[in-house]
Amino acid sequence: GNSVTQMEGPVTLSEEAFLTINCTYTATGYPSLFWYVQYPGEGLQLLLKATKADDKGSNKGFEATYRKETTSFHLEKGSVQVSDSAVYFCALIPGANSKLTFGKGITLSVRP
Amino acid sequence: DTGVSQDPRHKITKRGQNVTFRCDPISEHNRLYWYRQTLGQGPEFLTYFQNEAQLEKSRLLSDRFSAERPKGSFSTLEIQRTEQGDSAMYLCASSLDGNPQPQHFGDGTRLSIL
Repeated sequence: GNSVTQMEGPVTLSEEAFLTINCTYTATGYPSLFWYVQYPGEGLQLLLKATKADDKGSNKGFEATYRKETTSFHLEKGSVQVSDSAVYFCALIPGANSKLTFGKGITLSVRP
Repeated sequence: DTGVSQDPRHKITKRGQNVTFRCDPISEHNRLYWYRQTLGQGPEFLTYFQNEAQLEKSRLLSDRFSAERPKGSFSTLEIQRTEQGDSAMYLCASSLDGNPQPQHFGDGTRLSIL
């Protein structure tokens, strides 16, 4: 079946630290990959996406590269801000299917 | 673009009661999805519509659950004879046709069963 595995959290960083959040997946065919973010008190928002191998998605200083050989889509940011504190979800849509399969999510807290 | 709207934001009810939630998608989006999210977990797919047609239902959607999208616009999700295990956040999302299209989520309806 299809599944997404995220690293265990929570993660606490100081402002301006480097961020990596690991995500690996199992899927049939060639999935599209997504990162969603949920800020406190708000709904899920699409952060970035990649639809084929070696694609790099980027938004708001965050980046993730679709690595087919390692079935990974790790999220990175060079310098986090307090405003990046949120829950981050890695997700996939497998092939022609429409439904999203999510990881468990990880809580990021950035302290000043 | 007013985004995906869900109503109510919170619902508290006694076990055994019926509840109904509403979702208004982004107006030009043909696809509408329902997900359920419990504490500490990612959202889990329940069902989705292409216009008014319900194209897929998860095994999570027991016989007590029913979803409709009668005119291909707003959708309702009804839970009959609610149980403690139904307590969760119910999320609605919508998207354009084609794959992969990003899904845009509403703020959810939080259901609490007493």
